[in-house]
Amino acid sequence: AQKVTQAQTEISVVEKEDVTLDCVYETRDTTYYLFWYKQPPSGELVFLIRRNSFDEQNEISGRYSWNFQKSTSSFNFTITASQVVDSAVYFCALSEGGFGNEKLTFGTGTRLTIIP
Amino acid sequence: GAGVSQSPSNKVTEKGKDVELRCDPISGHTALYWYRQRLGQGLEFLIYFQGNSAPDKSGLPSDRFSAERTGESVSTLTIQRTQQEDSAVYLCASSLARRGPETQYFGPGTRLLVL
Repeated sequence: AQKVTQAQTEISVVEKEDVTLDCVYETRDTTYYLFWYKQPPSGELVFLIRRNSFDEQNEISGRYSWNFQKSTSSFNFTITASQVVDSAVYFCALSEGGFGNEKLTFGTGTRLTIIP
Repeated sequence: GAGVSQSPSNKVTEKGKDVELRCDPISGHTALYWYRQRLGQGLEFLIYFQGNSAPDKSGLPSDRFSAERTGESVSTLTIQRTQQEDSAVYLCASSLARRGPETQYFGPGTRLLVL
Protein backbone atom coordinates (compact mmCIF):
# COMPACT_ATOMS: atom_id res chain seq x y z
CA ALA A 1 0.00 0.00 0.00
CA GLN A 2 1.17 3.49 -0.72
CA LYS A 3 1.72 6.06 1.98
CA VAL A 4 2.92 9.65 2.22
CA THR A 5 4.29 11.13 5.41
CA GLN A 6 4.69 14.82 6.08
CA ALA A 7 6.12 14.85 9.57
CA GLN A 8 6.08 18.63 9.92
CA THR A 9 2.58 19.65 10.92
CA GLU A 10 3.28 23.38 11.21
CA ILE A 11 6.24 25.58 10.39
CA SER A 12 6.66 29.30 10.99
CA VAL A 13 9.52 31.32 9.56
CA VAL A 14 10.26 34.99 9.25
CA GLU A 15 9.87 36.50 5.82
CA LYS A 16 12.92 36.12 3.54
CA GLU A 17 14.13 33.01 5.33
CA ASP A 18 14.47 29.76 3.42
CA VAL A 19 12.27 26.85 4.45
CA THR A 20 12.20 23.17 3.50
CA LEU A 21 9.09 21.01 3.69
CA ASP A 22 9.74 17.30 4.05
CA CYS A 23 7.93 14.48 2.28
CA VAL A 24 8.65 10.78 2.66
CA TYR A 25 6.72 8.19 0.66
CA GLU A 26 6.22 4.45 0.57
CA THR A 27 5.30 2.41 -2.47
CA ARG A 28 5.99 -1.06 -3.83
CA ASP A 29 5.76 0.09 -7.44
CA THR A 30 8.81 0.97 -9.49
CA THR A 31 6.78 3.43 -11.53
CA TYR A 32 5.12 6.19 -9.59
CA TYR A 33 4.51 9.92 -9.63
CA LEU A 34 4.98 12.51 -6.94
CA PHE A 35 3.19 15.82 -6.63
CA TRP A 36 3.17 18.93 -4.50
CA TYR A 37 0.05 21.05 -4.11
CA LYS A 38 -0.48 24.34 -2.31
CA GLN A 39 -3.71 25.11 -0.47
CA PRO A 40 -3.91 28.81 0.39
CA PRO A 41 -6.46 30.15 2.87
CA SER A 42 -9.00 30.39 0.04
CA GLY A 43 -9.07 26.59 0.06
CA GLU A 44 -8.45 25.76 -3.59
CA LEU A 45 -5.63 23.30 -4.26
CA VAL A 46 -3.00 24.69 -6.59
CA PHE A 47 -0.74 22.31 -8.51
CA LEU A 48 2.98 23.02 -8.08
CA ILE A 49 4.94 20.11 -9.52
CA ARG A 50 4.68 16.56 -10.89
CA ARG A 51 7.68 14.25 -10.98
CA ASN A 52 7.93 10.66 -12.19
CA SER A 53 10.05 8.02 -10.50
CA PHE A 54 12.51 7.75 -13.36
CA ASP A 55 13.50 11.39 -13.23
CA GLU A 56 15.66 12.12 -10.21
CA GLN A 57 16.87 15.48 -11.42
CA ASN A 58 16.21 18.24 -8.98
CA GLU A 59 14.02 21.01 -10.26
CA ILE A 60 14.02 24.74 -9.67
CA SER A 61 11.21 27.10 -10.52
CA GLY A 62 11.86 30.63 -9.37
CA ARG A 63 12.04 30.58 -5.58
CA TYR A 64 10.81 26.97 -5.45
CA SER A 65 13.02 23.91 -5.69
CA TRP A 66 12.44 20.22 -5.24
CA ASN A 67 14.90 17.54 -4.15
CA PHE A 68 13.90 14.00 -5.18
CA GLN A 69 15.97 11.19 -3.65
CA LYS A 70 14.84 7.64 -4.37
CA SER A 71 17.47 6.23 -2.01
CA THR A 72 15.67 7.81 0.94
CA SER A 73 12.16 7.85 -0.62
CA SER A 74 11.96 11.57 -0.15
CA PHE A 75 10.67 14.45 -2.24
CA ASN A 76 11.41 17.62 -0.30
CA PHE A 77 10.31 21.11 -1.24
CA THR A 78 12.32 24.25 -0.51
CA ILE A 79 11.12 27.82 -0.71
CA THR A 80 13.93 30.34 -0.93
CA ALA A 81 13.52 33.90 0.35
CA SER A 82 10.03 33.18 1.62
CA GLN A 83 7.23 35.71 1.23
CA VAL A 84 3.99 36.23 3.10
CA VAL A 85 2.07 34.97 0.05
CA ASP A 86 3.73 31.60 0.55
CA SER A 87 1.64 31.09 3.69
CA ALA A 88 -0.54 28.06 2.99
CA VAL A 89 -0.92 24.36 3.65
CA TYR A 90 1.33 22.31 1.39
CA PHE A 91 0.49 18.74 0.45
CA CYS A 92 2.73 16.08 -0.97
CA ALA A 93 0.97 13.31 -2.92
CA LEU A 94 1.80 10.02 -4.60
CA SER A 95 0.22 8.19 -7.52
CA GLU A 96 1.28 4.75 -8.66
CA GLY A 97 1.89 4.33 -12.37
CA GLY A 98 -0.28 2.62 -14.89
CA PHE A 99 -3.44 3.55 -16.64
CA GLY A 100 -6.47 3.02 -14.45
CA ASN A 101 -4.71 3.49 -11.14
CA GLU A 102 -4.84 7.23 -10.91
CA LYS A 103 -5.78 8.05 -7.36
CA LEU A 104 -3.60 10.33 -5.32
CA THR A 105 -2.53 9.43 -1.83
CA PHE A 106 -1.94 12.62 0.12
CA GLY A 107 0.13 13.38 3.15
CA THR A 108 -1.52 15.20 6.01
CA GLY A 109 -0.04 18.50 4.92
CA THR A 110 2.32 21.07 6.40
CA ARG A 111 0.90 24.42 7.43
CA LEU A 112 3.48 27.08 6.58
CA THR A 113 3.20 30.53 8.11
CA ILE A 114 5.46 33.31 6.92
CA ILE A 115 5.80 36.03 9.51
CA PRO A 116 6.23 39.53 8.09
CA GLY B 1 -10.04 27.73 -20.43
CA ALA B 2 -12.31 27.36 -17.43
CA GLY B 3 -11.17 25.30 -14.49
CA VAL B 4 -13.02 22.67 -12.51
CA SER B 5 -16.19 24.04 -10.98
CA GLN B 6 -18.26 22.65 -8.14
CA SER B 7 -21.66 23.46 -6.74
CA PRO B 8 -22.90 24.34 -4.28
CA SER B 9 -19.92 25.99 -2.64
CA ASN B 10 -21.50 25.49 0.77
CA LYS B 11 -24.23 23.15 1.95
CA VAL B 12 -25.80 22.90 5.37
CA THR B 13 -28.16 20.00 5.92
CA GLU B 14 -29.84 18.15 8.71
CA LYS B 15 -28.79 14.71 9.76
CA GLY B 16 -30.67 12.07 7.79
CA LYS B 17 -31.26 14.18 4.69
CA ASP B 18 -29.79 13.35 1.27
CA VAL B 19 -27.41 15.73 -0.52
CA GLU B 20 -26.12 15.98 -4.07
CA LEU B 21 -22.83 17.60 -4.92
CA ARG B 22 -21.99 18.54 -8.48
CA CYS B 23 -18.69 18.71 -10.35
CA ASP B 24 -18.01 20.15 -13.81
CA PRO B 25 -14.55 19.06 -14.96
CA ILE B 26 -12.25 20.84 -17.35
CA SER B 27 -13.51 20.34 -20.89
CA GLY B 28 -11.81 17.37 -22.55
CA HIS B 29 -10.59 15.80 -19.32
CA THR B 30 -11.57 12.14 -19.38
CA ALA B 31 -10.66 11.35 -15.79
CA LEU B 32 -12.56 12.70 -12.81
CA TYR B 33 -11.94 12.16 -9.10
CA TRP B 34 -13.71 12.86 -5.86
CA TYR B 35 -11.83 13.42 -2.61
CA ARG B 36 -12.91 14.32 0.90
CA GLN B 37 -11.02 16.62 3.23
CA ARG B 38 -12.00 16.61 6.87
CA LEU B 39 -11.10 19.65 8.94
CA GLY B 40 -7.36 19.98 9.38
CA GLN B 41 -6.61 16.76 7.54
CA GLY B 42 -5.30 15.63 4.19
CA LEU B 43 -7.41 14.52 1.29
CA GLU B 44 -8.96 11.07 1.16
CA PHE B 45 -9.69 9.48 -2.20
CA LEU B 46 -13.32 8.51 -2.74
CA ILE B 47 -13.89 7.48 -6.36
CA TYR B 48 -12.35 7.74 -9.80
CA PHE B 49 -14.09 7.93 -13.18
CA GLN B 50 -12.58 7.19 -16.55
CA GLY B 51 -15.17 8.42 -19.00
CA ASN B 52 -18.49 7.42 -17.49
CA SER B 53 -17.16 4.29 -15.81
CA ALA B 54 -15.83 4.08 -12.27
CA PRO B 55 -12.96 1.56 -12.20
CA ASP B 56 -12.04 2.49 -8.64
CA LYS B 57 -14.69 3.08 -5.99
CA SER B 58 -12.54 1.80 -3.17
CA GLY B 59 -12.59 5.04 -1.20
CA LEU B 60 -16.35 5.36 -0.78
CA PRO B 61 -16.79 5.06 3.00
CA SER B 62 -20.18 3.37 3.02
CA ASP B 63 -23.10 2.40 0.81
CA ARG B 64 -24.68 5.75 1.64
CA PHE B 65 -22.21 7.27 -0.81
CA SER B 66 -22.64 6.96 -4.56
CA ALA B 67 -21.53 8.84 -7.63
CA GLU B 68 -22.25 8.93 -11.29
CA ARG B 69 -20.91 10.65 -14.34
CA THR B 70 -22.73 11.32 -17.57
CA GLY B 71 -21.64 12.44 -21.01
CA GLU B 72 -18.02 12.08 -19.92
CA SER B 73 -18.56 15.40 -18.25
CA VAL B 74 -20.59 16.33 -15.19
CA SER B 75 -20.43 14.16 -12.10
CA THR B 76 -22.71 14.02 -9.10
CA LEU B 77 -21.74 12.70 -5.68
CA THR B 78 -24.76 11.70 -3.61
CA ILE B 79 -24.73 11.13 0.11
CA GLN B 80 -27.88 9.51 1.48
CA ARG B 81 -29.05 9.76 5.07
CA THR B 82 -26.25 12.14 5.97
CA GLN B 83 -24.46 11.77 9.28
CA GLN B 84 -22.49 14.34 11.22
CA GLU B 85 -19.24 12.58 10.38
CA ASP B 86 -19.93 13.34 6.72
CA SER B 87 -19.16 16.99 7.41
CA ALA B 88 -16.13 17.85 5.30
CA VAL B 89 -15.01 19.61 2.15
CA TYR B 90 -15.66 17.49 -0.92
CA LEU B 91 -13.19 18.18 -3.69
CA CYS B 92 -13.43 17.21 -7.31
CA ALA B 93 -10.47 16.99 -9.68
CA SER B 94 -10.05 16.18 -13.35
CA SER B 95 -7.17 15.18 -15.59
CA LEU B 96 -6.40 14.15 -19.14
CA ALA B 97 -5.34 10.64 -18.00
CA ARG B 98 -3.75 9.51 -21.20
CA ARG B 99 -1.21 6.78 -20.51
CA GLY B 100 -0.54 7.22 -16.85
CA PRO B 101 -1.22 9.56 -13.98
CA GLU B 102 -1.58 13.05 -15.30
CA THR B 103 -1.77 16.15 -13.18
CA GLN B 104 -5.10 16.47 -11.44
CA TYR B 105 -6.61 19.95 -11.33
CA PHE B 106 -8.91 20.63 -8.42
CA GLY B 107 -12.12 22.55 -8.04
CA PRO B 108 -12.84 24.90 -5.14
CA GLY B 109 -14.75 22.23 -3.23
CA THR B 110 -18.15 21.97 -1.58
CA ARG B 111 -18.12 22.57 2.14
CA LEU B 112 -20.73 20.27 3.68
CA LEU B 113 -21.98 20.72 7.21
CA VAL B 114 -24.36 18.16 8.66
CA LEU B 115 -26.18 19.39 11.75
